[in-house]
Amino acid sequence: SQQGEEDPQALSIQEGENATMNCSYKTSINNLQWYRQNSGRGLVHLILIRSNEREKHSGRLRVTLDTSKKSSSLLITASRAADTASYFCATGPLNDYKLSFGAGTTVTVRA
Amino acid sequence: DAGVTQSPTHLIKTRGQQVTLRCSPKSGHDTVSWYQQALGQGPQFIFQYYEEEERQRGNFPDRFSGHQFPNYSSELNVNALLLGDSALYLCASSSGVLDTQYFGPGTRLTVL
Repeated sequence: SQQGEEDPQALSIQEGENATMNCSYKTSINNLQWYRQNSGRGLVHLILIRSNEREKHSGRLRVTLDTSKKSSSLLITASRAADTASYFCATGPLNDYKLSFGAGTTVTVRA
Repeated sequence: DAGVTQSPTHLIKTRGQQVTLRCSPKSGHDTVSWYQQALGQGPQFIFQYYEEEERQRGNFPDRFSGHQFPNYSSELNVNALLLGDSALYLCASSSGVLDTQYFGPGTRLTVL
């Protein structure tokens, strides 16, 4: 079973717009990571946020974490066609070594 | 600095056969994890190797086994292949329990 769930399942936006996707999870975590996957290839790590952090930025990416609501969001600003991909959140549960992934959000950026 | 590498890229097998997939971790990483990703789903954890031992295992049958070598590279073996084993197999390496896991490009396994 999957720990996290991304919402929405799919998102279509115009180039230049912002894209926001959310992730909810069930158990306490050490950290939460966001990954991007293009066309069924390997996962590219985007950002890691630890359980004691609330917000983190990396370039055009902004991630928030609310451990009281067991949720996270990923914002991509000023989207580009190259941002078209599937985005996954992955949680690192307490006392656990594995990453637990959701089913992902598929983002399509239209030119 | 080479990232995580996996071989082969693609593989086609028939039911009942056995397969071995290989992974070389990112330089400086000592921990290797394997994941199975079925079409349209997120990756599912198979197991993790550290210091040449299986440290944790996900909900996969014993047909899935692995090995880690002294140079930290790893193999995933799947015996008695089933049609349902068709998937993208991803290897990830890390250094430290709470650190980022970096993924390889994956091996696409098709079982006919």
